[in-house]
Amino acid sequence: EEQLVESGGGLVQSGGSLRLSCAASGFTVSTNYISWVRQAPGRGLEWVSVIYSGGSTYYADSVKGRFTISRDNSKNTVYVQMKSLRLEDTAVYYCARPTYPMGSFDMWGQGTMVTVSS
Amino acid sequence: SYVLTQPPSVSVAPGKTARITCGGNNSGSKRVHWYQQKPGRAPVLVTSYDSDRPSGIPERFSGSNSGNTATLTISRVEAGDEADYYCQVWDSTSDHPSYVFGTGTKVTVL
Repeated sequence: EEQLVESGGGLVQSGGSLRLSCAASGFTVSTNYISWVRQAPGRGLEWVSVIYSGGSTYYADSVKGRFTISRDNSKNTVYVQMKSLRLEDTAVYYCARPTYPMGSFDMWGQGTMVTVSS
Repeated sequence: SYVLTQPPSVSVAPGKTARITCGGNNSGSKRVHWYQQKPGRAPVLVTSYDSDRPSGIPERFSGSNSGNTATLTISRVEAGDEADYYCQVWDSTSDHPSYVFGTGTKVTVL
């Protein structure tokens, strides 16, 4: 069964760092596209970042320069390293799989909560 | 940046039809995907590429896209359809590709 499982969320102070993990099973991350999408409490969905099978990475303007997406093919896991965290980064972070670069997200993880405190 | 606008809420009686719109500049030229999200759960894809339906999604869910508006139609609405719904496109018009979500619509079954 194909599955994505996030981990690494927690409470962090403003200005701090955190690394989230997205472990895939049932398929290979190196030949797929994996994205991070977040949802602040009571708010809508916001795309954060994507890593394509060829290794290209892209970021939303709101996180560019602070977040870095990467993957470890040996662990079949995608990461997002978050630095200089702000209160407005507080959200549930989902990893999701786009079917093609311009495609829909056909698979989502259960999400991991990140809370940035002052 | 590209913006997708949805009505904040739609109310519908059981058995009736709900239509949720998603407005974006020339959205008809993009492929629109729709997601259903229930409280405390991850989003679920309900239609893709304007009108395709993933395996396991009831035929009651259908999508269309033309001009500046995409529409998700839920026929014969059931209580279990009560959820938030989001449209989404892939936008390549800026200096880097990005995935854009609509503002979201809360569907209430009366």
